[in-house]
Amino acid sequence: DAKTTQPTSMDCAEGRAANLPCNHSTISGNEYVYWYRQIHSQGPQYIIHGLKNNETNEMASLIITEDRKSSTLILPHATLRDTAVYYCIVRVRGEGNKLVFGAGTILRVKS
Amino acid sequence: KAGVTQTPRYLIKTRGQQVTLSCSPISGHRSVSWYQQTPGQGLQFLFEYFSETQRNKGNFPGRFSGRQFSNSRSEMNVSTLELGDSALYLCASSMTGFTEAFFGQGTRLTVV
Repeated sequence: DAKTTQPTSMDCAEGRAANLPCNHSTISGNEYVYWYRQIHSQGPQYIIHGLKNNETNEMASLIITEDRKSSTLILPHATLRDTAVYYCIVRVRGEGNKLVFGAGTILRVKS
Repeated sequence: KAGVTQTPRYLIKTRGQQVTLSCSPISGHRSVSWYQQTPGQGLQFLFEYFSETQRNKGNFPGRFSGRQFSNSRSEMNVSTLELGDSALYLCASSMTGFTEAFFGQGTRLTVV
């Protein structure tokens, strides 16, 4: 699985958009980008995934660059409850469910 | 629908003992994966089961083992517990293993 690089931490004002970047410069053509988050002491929560097109769901939007070497997770209106560790993972979607987690980004939403 | 259920939520064991943790996946999900989370190593993949067969395995010693039953419920076992096995053990289920994984709340194991 390709390696990902994320900032260690980020702050965001409540109500503003939170933009979390992820670099995955060695991503291969059949690897998807997944985002999970983990709120303190809970299990990770699936957010969104994509291959090359931008994706949006009720939680977030995922913007993947045309060369697929980086992506951005966007929480459009961050709330205090969005404070969590956000993990960007790349994986081949057809090879079972083995997720390789990095250190992630600690997002602090402040009022 | 009900989420992934892990039991027990908390456990305290003594060094040298063994422990069994249980995971009930979301109804209809056939893939179950296990992860260990510690402050030092973060989230690490242990193994994945699909249709009662181990499909992927992480880099953990043989003291860590698991199995999956015909109803997709899974157990993991750790024998000869060491202090370093103290961790949050997380289970995740997905429909086929090719789809998104949903995690349980975890079992907090403390080895004393």
